Amino acid sequence: QKEVEQNSGPLSVPEGAIASLNCTYSDRGSQSFFWYRQYSGKSPELIMSIYSNGDKEDGRFTAQLNKASQYVSLLIRDSQPSDSATYLCAFYGNNRLAFGKGNQVVVIP
Amino acid sequence: NAGVTQTPKFQVLKTGQSMTLQCAQDMNHNSMYWYRQDPGMGLRLIYYSASEGTTDKGEVPNGYNVSRLNKREFSLRLESAAPSQTSVYFCATQRREYEQYFGPGTRLTVT
Repeated sequence: QKEVEQNSGPLSVPEGAIASLNCTYSDRGSQSFFWYRQYSGKSPELIMSIYSNGDKEDGRFTAQLNKASQYVSLLIRDSQPSDSATYLCAFYGNNRLAFGKGNQVVVIP
Repeated sequence: NAGVTQTPKFQVLKTGQSMTLQCAQDMNHNSMYWYRQDPGMGLRLIYYSASEGTTDKGEVPNGYNVSRLNKREFSLRLESAAPSQTSVYFCATQRREYEQYFGPGTRLTVT
């Protein structure tokens, strides 16, 4: 089983809609989870950290963590064209971050 | 503050050549990391340094060496470059609660 799995395929959303991204992870002991945003040709940028079950909101972003089901999700409300990017899920375990392969989000004006 | 800087930004090497990728941070973080990113493979850890004077292998260390020169600097060396090492290389630092911050990357092509 892969350590971190993200939805396959690009996600197209109309401007102003909610984009929903999901991620599952294999390490039950992990306590730290992250979402990174990566624009084409740029480096990953940390946008959310979450450490406990439940929701964490930061501006238009909401991260949701469910440790029992081993998944973490990211909601982007009121999606803007500037949100078009690849979103990487990651968790910390064994002295390192394990990253998913990413989900491309395309916001259509 | 520059955060995490990497040099060079782009590099083309011939097979068998060597080079060193440089990374420096002004965030006063203890831990530093080197990743490579390839299409369809995601980010993979090459080496990391939990603190000055220590280094450890990650998932894909073969063909690479590292040096943690001081708290600020962590370099990655390719002794004999191979086409399979064509990739984008990112350096990152880690602060409390495992949040990592990435440099701008080095785009390396080996022909």
